[in-house]
Amino acid sequence: AQSVTQLGSHVSVSEGALVLLRCNYSSSVPPYLFWYVQYPNQGLQLLLKYTSAATLVKGINGFEAEFKKSETSFHLTKPSAHMSDAAEYFCAVTLTAGNQFYFGTGTSLTVIP
Amino acid sequence: EPEVTQTPSHQVTQMGQEVILRCVPISNHLYFYWYRQILGQKVEFLVSFYNNEISEKSEIFDDQFSVERPDGSNFTLKIRSTKLEDSAMYFCASVTVNTEAFFGQGTRLTVV
Repeated sequence: AQSVTQLGSHVSVSEGALVLLRCNYSSSVPPYLFWYVQYPNQGLQLLLKYTSAATLVKGINGFEAEFKKSETSFHLTKPSAHMSDAAEYFCAVTLTAGNQFYFGTGTSLTVIP
Repeated sequence: EPEVTQTPSHQVTQMGQEVILRCVPISNHLYFYWYRQILGQKVEFLVSFYNNEISEKSEIFDDQFSVERPDGSNFTLKIRSTKLEDSAMYFCASVTVNTEAFFGQGTRLTVV
């Protein structure tokens, strides 16, 4: 079975600082990996996805993530945090279309002015 | 840009009542899912639907739950005899053949 682990349920950064949200996955076969963002009282919005092409994936709002097979990681980064980045971030894994997505427990990002 | 639409956005129901949550997925997608998120907790898989039948379901998805695609477009989740612990945000998602899941805005179900 697949799973993801998000280290740090809460992360606080200063505006303009680097954002690093950690995600480690477990999968017996090459997975598809995703980062979703959830703003208060809203749905899940796809930030970016890894589907076995380039290991460095660029997403929306300046976010990117790097797939590292040796570390089984898919950490999300953004060079400079903006106040509007404050939200809940979820890492997810699946094997293929039709298989369920397994979500991490989420990381709440706070941006300090 | 196409999107997944869920109605209602908020539903309050009395314990023991039946509720139907509705979703209009993106028309050319093939796979449809229901997830739920209890307040402050993780996003949990309920069921996936493909080719007009359930393809996978979790242990949460017991006889209390059912899904249908009654008219070939809408995708519904029925919860019979609701319990307090069914209070959650319910998300519908439709998935492309490229394994990209698009989620709706969710229905917040409150059981009182």
